[in-house]
Amino acid sequence: EDKVVQSPLSLVVHEGDTVTLNCSYEVTNFRSLLWYKQEKKAPTFLFMLTSSGIEKKSGRLSSILDKKELFSILNITATQTGDSAVYLCAVVGYNTDKLIFGTGTRLQVFP
Amino acid sequence: DVKVTQSSRYLVKRTGEKVFLECVQDMDHENMFWYRQDPGLGLRLIYFSYDVKMKEKGDIPEGYSVSREKKERFSLILESASTNQTSMYLCASSLSSAGTYEQYFGPGTRLTVT
Repeated sequence: EDKVVQSPLSLVVHEGDTVTLNCSYEVTNFRSLLWYKQEKKAPTFLFMLTSSGIEKKSGRLSSILDKKELFSILNITATQTGDSAVYLCAVVGYNTDKLIFGTGTRLQVFP
Repeated sequence: DVKVTQSSRYLVKRTGEKVFLECVQDMDHENMFWYRQDPGLGLRLIYFSYDVKMKEKGDIPEGYSVSREKKERFSLILESASTNQTSMYLCASSLSSAGTYEQYFGPGTRLTVT
């Protein structure tokens, strides 16, 4: 059965800290992995990763995929209170457009 | 900008009522999805649709049905609402083309069944 596991379930840090969120997966015919940020309502897209070892970066956020070890990490440097959210990881296989989501990591950043 | 809208942000219904949740997207996306989100369980796929009048069951379709009569609109129906269907319901849409899997989400409907 396809599955996505995220860790930790929750994380509490102070502004300025660097955090690493983990996502491991088992999926038939893996195609891509996606990261989303969910604040109070709709998840918003952050990154899509398809190739191993190529870092995607957007401001203080970056992510990388390891297709051999079947995991991805999302790094946030110099965290701010606005980074507080649930971060969702999802994977998609071939021959489908369905995403399989993990349960998410809840990040709380305090001043 | 892609916009996905849902008919209600909050909804309170009684056990046994028929409930309609509507979702509309304005970007001509082929794919549309209905999820429910519960604490500790993440997003679980209820139903999805690849085209008008086409639907496929997701992981938890029991107690739900869907309708897609027009490309931009995807409705979720709870035929007889039960308390265990109290949840956050999220609609999403995506393009059906190679290399594009990003789903755009609506703001969600928080449904309470009493």
